[in-house]
Amino acid sequence: EVQLVESGGDLVQPGRSLRLSCAASGFRFDDYAMYWARQAPGKGLEWVSSISWNGGSTDYADSVKGRFTISRDNAENSLYLQMNSLRPEDTALYYCAKSTHSGGGFSPLDSWGQGTLVVVSS
Amino acid sequence: DIQMTQSPSTLSASVGDRVTITCRASQSINRWLAWYQQKPGQAPILLIYEASSLESGIPSRFSGSFSGTEFTLTISSLQPDDFATYYCQQYNSYPTFGQGTKVEMK
Repeated sequence: EVQLVESGGDLVQPGRSLRLSCAASGFRFDDYAMYWARQAPGKGLEWVSSISWNGGSTDYADSVKGRFTISRDNAENSLYLQMNSLRPEDTALYYCAKSTHSGGGFSPLDSWGQGTLVVVSS
Repeated sequence: DIQMTQSPSTLSASVGDRVTITCRASQSINRWLAWYQQKPGQAPILLIYEASSLESGIPSRFSGSFSGTEFTLTISSLQPDDFATYYCQQYNSYPTFGQGTKVEMK
């Protein structure tokens, strides 16, 4: 059974940094691209970033480009999101999600974690 | 960015009803569209991919279709477990989601 467990969410002040982690199990992690998506309280879903199976290809939403960095450690079956220069509008539940394929480009997301909450406020 | 316009935003229906939700893309996305179900406090679940392919384990009362840039999710006979919010997602380019359709009890 696929399991994705996010951690690292917290209350932080604007301008500060935070690193999210996602521990994956139940599938061959290095066979699949991985995603971060987010959902602001009471709002819809928003794609944040994605990374190919080997980390060689990454993509970012315009809203986070230049501030967030996605990475992965296939030896540790882990996905990360380094978030810098955080803004109040980054407040959301952040989901780690598994792609249906391995490479660059984009895909549906067939497994999601339960999310970790990031609140950016002074 | 490709905009996904989903309608209606809310839909009131009864158990046994046939329910249809529509998503319109602002430009061609071929068939690169997925549908998700999300219940309060839970993560989304993939229902349909490539516009009309049923994800493994999803009941056959869910189906997807499309014509041009208009995509449709149909629930043939609404069940109590189906009251939820539904989102479309295009993945032809940088992924974007529709605004969501909440299916509520009439």
